[in-house]
Amino acid sequence: NAGVTQTPKFRVLKTGQSMTLLCAQDMNHEYMYWYRQDPGMGLRLIHYSVGEGTTAKGEVPDGYNVSRLKKQNFLLGLESAAPSQTSVYFCASSYVYNEQFFGPGTRLTVL
Amino acid sequence: DQQVKQNSPSLSVQEGRISILNCDYTNSMFDYFLWYKKYPAEGPTFLISISSIKDKNEDGRFTVFLNKSAKHLSLHIVPSQPGDSAVYFCAASRGNTPLVFGKGTRLSVIA
Repeated sequence: NAGVTQTPKFRVLKTGQSMTLLCAQDMNHEYMYWYRQDPGMGLRLIHYSVGEGTTAKGEVPDGYNVSRLKKQNFLLGLESAAPSQTSVYFCASSYVYNEQFFGPGTRLTVL
Repeated sequence: DQQVKQNSPSLSVQEGRISILNCDYTNSMFDYFLWYKKYPAEGPTFLISISSIKDKNEDGRFTVFLNKSAKHLSLHIVPSQPGDSAVYFCAASRGNTPLVFGKGTRLSVIA
């Protein structure tokens, strides 16, 4: 089992460019999440999904969109990247809201 | 409003001694608490959890204590090892809502 995988691992964008981060899990989990980690800020929830076709906003959703077309995939989109979105992004999945399994992260820099 | 607080950004401990990481929460509705461990350039991994109906849970060298009246939990690592050096996140949940994470404490175990 690969667990939770994230693509890409690193990315550099220019302000205004768009991109999509892909998260995939092979544990048949219903719940999936996108977090960002910034120095001194811990893990902040961007968006999450409680099942295929559903999405919900987390603590810091502005500037991001998500889609969960398949149970095993959760996509995070940035339509017009800003320097404030420079961060490390983590995807996670779980059966219920408790124990979450995290991916290795995507380091994004917006110039 | 920060519902889960880890007031110590960092902690240094000698190898073989006890490490005590602390976490305070403000929401009395939280009913499940978790600790995650994170190494650099990796995603967080689940370490140990405790339900609000218990006051202690032990797993090998790791013990989590919960004091509901004080809204406080702590993670004890005995004995501490250099491989325990990492960032530790406290997290809490209530019913059907996503986890809320603290900002983390960086533990350094000195050989």
